[in-house]
Amino acid sequence: RKEVEQDPGPFNVPEGATVAFNCTYSNSASQSFFWYRQDCRKEPKLLMSVYSSGNEDGRFTAQLNRASQYISLLIRDSKLSDSATYLCVVILTGGGNKLTFGTGTQLKVEL
Amino acid sequence: EPEVTQTPSHQVTQMGQEVILRCVPISNHLYFYWYRQILGQKVEFLVSFYNNEISEKSEIFDDQFSVERPDGSNFTLKIRSTKLEDSAMYFCASSEDRVRADTQYFGPGTRLTVL
Repeated sequence: RKEVEQDPGPFNVPEGATVAFNCTYSNSASQSFFWYRQDCRKEPKLLMSVYSSGNEDGRFTAQLNRASQYISLLIRDSKLSDSATYLCVVILTGGGNKLTFGTGTQLKVEL
Repeated sequence: EPEVTQTPSHQVTQMGQEVILRCVPISNHLYFYWYRQILGQKVEFLVSFYNNEISEKSEIFDDQFSVERPDGSNFTLKIRSTKLEDSAMYFCASSEDRVRADTQYFGPGTRLTVL
């Protein structure tokens, strides 16, 4: 089983739509969780950390369910500029600071 | 806003040659990392570096690879004898301190092409 699993997509949505991405992780000892965004042939950029209580940053909401080992990202009122690949990332307890990446979910926002 | 920089942006080399990829982490950061991404695949951890020594390395980071902080600003990744399968995007990252070590900032990457 992959350490971090994501639906690769692509998700094609119209501008203004709400879209949700899911991610599951295999190691229950994972301690830190993030969503990164990666544009084509560019570096990953931190979008937001994910906390057990859930957190929101503008149009973006992240949720963590430790019992189900499941992380989600919700994007409301999607913009053309949201088109990118969204990477689910975890750090394992005792894993130092090593980021473990999922393969990413591709989002295409269309007019 | 401070950022991680990497040079060169693209490196083309012949199989068997040595390459050195360079990174300048954010100036007050203490933890440094290398990751790679083969085209179409996920980002993979290679190595982390703190206090002038390797903190952790992955199975990918074999004897062909080495890292160094030759001065107060640069952080380098050396591949001694490149193989075709080393072709990938190599990202350097840095983080501030132990408390904020999980917040890593990535450089723009070096695209390595091995012919």
